[in-house]
Amino acid sequence: RKEVEQDPGPFNVPEGATVAFNCTYSNSASQSFFWYRQDCRKEPKLLMSVYSSGNEDGRFTAQLNRASQYISLLIRDSKLSDSATYLCVVNMGTGRYKLSFGAGTTVTVRA
Amino acid sequence: GAGVSQTPSNKVTEKGKYVELRCDPISGHTALYWYRQSLGQGPEFLIYFQGTGAADDSGLPNDRFFAVRPEGSVSTLKIQRTERGDSAVYLCASSSSLYNEQFFGPGTRLTVL
Repeated sequence: RKEVEQDPGPFNVPEGATVAFNCTYSNSASQSFFWYRQDCRKEPKLLMSVYSSGNEDGRFTAQLNRASQYISLLIRDSKLSDSATYLCVVNMGTGRYKLSFGAGTTVTVRA
Repeated sequence: GAGVSQTPSNKVTEKGKYVELRCDPISGHTALYWYRQSLGQGPEFLIYFQGTGAADDSGLPNDRFFAVRPEGSVSTLKIQRTERGDSAVYLCASSSSLYNEQFFGPGTRLTVL
């Protein structure tokens, strides 16, 4: 079983729409959770950390459900520039530096 | 300021050859990480350096892979007797400390023919 599993998509949405997707993780000892964004043939970049109480950063909202071991990302008022692959990232147990990445969820926002 | 840089950006080699991939972290970052990303997958952890020492090399797939960071800054990932299955993008990241954000370089795309 993979440490982090994501729906690969693609999610194809019109500008202005709301899109949401989840990922699940297998290691109940994980303490750190992130969403990274990766554009085609580019390096991953941190989008946001995910906190237990849930957090927002502009149009992006992340939620963590420790009991069910899943993380969600919601994008409101989608922009063309939001088209990317979103990587769910979890630390592997007690090693906070050791990140495990999902395979990514592809989002395409169309005009 | 300058981000993480990696050279070369692309490397094509033949099966059985030796390759070296270089990573130049953000100045002052003590932690350095190597990852490997295959097509359609997320990055996979290979090794982590804190300063000059490899604090965790548990992600290296086998003994053909080795990495060094002799002066605590630049790091080199070395792959001996390359195999076609080693073809991937090799990403380097650095952070100012163990718990801080990891900044990724643009990667080296390795193709083994």
